[in-house]
Formats: sequence, C-alpha cells, structure tokens
Amino acid sequence: EVRLLESGGGLVQPGGSLRLSCAASGFTFSNYAMTWVRQAPGKGLEWVSSVDGGSGGTIYYADSVKGRFTITRDNSKNTLWLQMNSLRAEDTAIYYCAKLKQWLVTPGTYGMDVWGQGTTVTVSS
Amino acid sequence: IQMTQSPSSLSASVGDRVTISCRASQSINNYLNWYQHKPGKAPNLLIYGASALESGVPSGFSGSGFGTNFTLTISSLQPDDFATYYCQQSYSTPFAFGQGTRLEIK
Repeated sequence: EVRLLESGGGLVQPGGSLRLSCAASGFTFSNYAMTWVRQAPGKGLEWVSSVDGGSGGTIYYADSVKGRFTITRDNSKNTLWLQMNSLRAEDTAIYYCAKLKQWLVTPGTYGMDVWGQGTTVTVSS
Repeated sequence: IQMTQSPSSLSASVGDRVTISCRASQSINNYLNWYQHKPGKAPNLLIYGASALESGVPSGFSGSGFGTNFTLTISSLQPDDFATYYCQQSYSTPFAFGQGTRLEIK
C-alpha cells in the first residue's frame, strides 16, 4: 500500500523550531519529487515547499517560509523532513506531505497523487 | 500566478450536475489539478493535467480547459461528494491553490 505518514507536530512558542518528518512506504521514494502543503485553521490549502526526486537537486519554497524552513530528503530512509525555524503564529496549520506524480518539480507537473494525513503545528505562547 | 475559483460555496442536491470554475492570472497550459478535501482527511487528487481522471476516481468527475480558464464538473452528485474542492496550478512555483469551493447539501 502506498502511504505517507507525518510526525513531529506540536505546540511551540513563537520564535521556536520544529522538525516534521514524513515516512514513505509502498513506492520507490527516490523516484518522485515531494512537497509540503499546509492548511491554517479555517483557511484553504497553501503550498509550502517542494524538492526534486533523486538527490533532491532543486528545492523550492513559498516566499512566506523562505529563509526559515528547510526541506530535505533521505532516500535511504524513505523520509522527507521539514525543518521549521523562527516560527510565527501564522505558521499554525496542519502540515501535509505529498508525493508528486513525477521526478522533477518543474517544468510543469501533474499533481500530488499521494498525501499523508497531516500533522498539526501550533505556534503560541 | 494567482488562482481564482468560483463560486466560493455552493448548495446542491444529490443527483444535481455541478460545475466549479477556476481562472489563472496567466496561461498555465494544461498544468491544472483538482483536489477534493474533507475535514480531518487528506486531500484527494481528482483530475490532473486539466482533464485526466486520476486512477480510482469515479467517472462522474471530469475536467476541462486550457490556458487560463478551467472547469470541474460533477455529472450527478453523490452523497460522498459533499466536500471542499480546490484547483491548483503546477505550471511553475509557487504552486498556488484556488481559495476553495465548499459544496454543501441543499
């Protein structure tokens, strides 16, 4: 069964850090680009970051997280991470990892076909 | 690239035909995807490449469009279809989503 399982969410104070993990199974993890998407309370889906398949040659970030978040992958562990530093109240959200349908993030992709159930991050004092 | 969906909410009955629109602020060729999202669950890819039906998705869902204007159609609403629907462009990063269309039971 193709599966993604996020972990690492929790309550953190503003300015703090968290590291989210996404464990993949049921597919050849290294062959696909991966993405983090979030949903703040009462809001819609927001793309956060993506990384190419393979060694993760190219990485992309939303402007809202650039310089604070870092996406990495370890194909030997079938795991994707999101290191989140300098957290703000507006980063409070459910964070989903998702698999893209192809190796490269650009040029042009055809959707995210496998999603995890999400992990909740709350930034509050 | 900005994505604008309409309507933002919609009330319909089981058996109705429903259409949701999505407009991109610039041409995205056919790099447009549609997702269904229910509370507490993972989003689910319905349509990719503007019109390709994702494996396992019921044939009552269909997508069309190219360039800047796109449409998701549900031919005959089923009870399980009441959810929020998002379009998303995957032409270039940042991969913007539309604001969502909440489909409710009338």
